Amino acid sequence: AQSVAQPEDQVNVAEGNPLTVKCTYSVSGNPYLFWYVQYPNRGLQFLLKYITGDNLVKGSYGFEAEFNKSQTSFHLKKPSALVSDSALYFCAVRGADFNKFYFGSGTKLNVKP
Amino acid sequence: SAVISQKPSRDICQRGTSLTIQCQVDSQVTMMFWYRQQPGQSLTLIATANQGSEATYESGFVIDKFPISRPNLTFSTLTVSNMSPEDSSIYLCSVVTGVEQFFGPGTRLTVL
Repeated sequence: AQSVAQPEDQVNVAEGNPLTVKCTYSVSGNPYLFWYVQYPNRGLQFLLKYITGDNLVKGSYGFEAEFNKSQTSFHLKKPSALVSDSALYFCAVRGADFNKFYFGSGTKLNVKP
Repeated sequence: SAVISQKPSRDICQRGTSLTIQCQVDSQVTMMFWYRQQPGQSLTLIATANQGSEATYESGFVIDKFPISRPNLTFSTLTVSNMSPEDSSIYLCSVVTGVEQFFGPGTRLTVL
């Protein structure tokens, strides 16, 4: 069965500090992994994806994520957080049938000045 | 990529009434998806809408409550029928193109 876990409901970080938002997954076959961001009163926006290749993928707004097959993780990272990064972040995995995406419970990122 | 628009963006409805949400995509897509999201919560897939066939509903969602139309490859509607306050939520339309999923801006529904 496919599933995604985001163990932290909320992450607090000071502006300028590095941030990490955690995600672990369970999927049959090779994983297609995604991160989305949702700002208040907005739809979900695509940040980045891992399909194959380099384990470190770079995405929008300076975010990157590291795929770790042995730990079945796909943590989202940014070297220096901005207040404007404060939002709700969702990790997702595409299922083996390639038609369904499974979303984590979401992590609220709070970046304080 | 795909650009998705939804109408209405928000609505306040009385219990017992129905609301139809429209979703328009700027390109032809085979499958469209409807999600529900409680504010600040994760997404729950309601159904998958294929053009020319009945929608496929997830466990806990039924056609009588959430009828879906898919008349062509760029358009779909979701109706929330006989609404109750428990239906208050954000409803999101989504499509998959290639390996990525794109979302509409959502419809924020409040049922009084």
